[in-house]
Amino acid sequence: GAVVSQHPSRVICKSGTSVKIECRSLDFQATTMFWYRQFPKQSLMLMATSNEGSKATYEQGVEKDKFLINHASLTLSTLTVTSAHPEDSSFYICSAHPSGPRVEQFFGPGTRLTVL
Amino acid sequence: AQSVTQLGSHVSVSEGALVLLRCNYSSSVPPYLFWYVQYPNQGLQLLLKYTSAATLVKGINGFEAEFKKSETSFHLTKPSAHMSDAAEYFCAVSDQPGNQFYFGTGTSLTVIP
Repeated sequence: GAVVSQHPSRVICKSGTSVKIECRSLDFQATTMFWYRQFPKQSLMLMATSNEGSKATYEQGVEKDKFLINHASLTLSTLTVTSAHPEDSSFYICSAHPSGPRVEQFFGPGTRLTVL
Repeated sequence: AQSVTQLGSHVSVSEGALVLLRCNYSSSVPPYLFWYVQYPNQGLQLLLKYTSAATLVKGINGFEAEFKKSETSFHLTKPSAHMSDAAEYFCAVSDQPGNQFYFGTGTSLTVIP
């Protein structure tokens, strides 16, 4: 149990286009989902915290108009990278916290974004 | 505020040798502590977690970690390394369920045959 999926796993796009990444909790409900960005050989950097039915909370330095986050249901959060540029190329990972008292987060397999 | 320090960005051990990955934390409240493993181009898999119950926590794949409050440490160990243990390991801390995790910078484990 506690599986989180991400789609797509890889995406290549042209500079200036927008890309949507989906994060789904497959067998549990997640009140809170998190979006992270990971550069090669580095740790995960939290971008934003997404709560179902409310606006996402962005970390300092993350442009909310560029990285649009929607958490429309208890099993789905989406991250849209708008007007992507080469510097947005990265590995994006989501995690989901199950509703209730469990303390751990469950991570998706990640999405490799390459912007040409 | 919470933070995590992982000493040693790269650790190499021989197959069959003891694995020791270090993690020290800083937290203003009793922490929840986690170890995750990441294989190339994959997400993070939970190895084990500390939630203020037993201080010695056993996880998957033979790993365990001991919470030492006096040393603010949560080091990860495995008695005998296997080739399949080669991966990136992250220590993380949180202050309560549903709140963000603070990750360490990660330790890359290499297992030498």
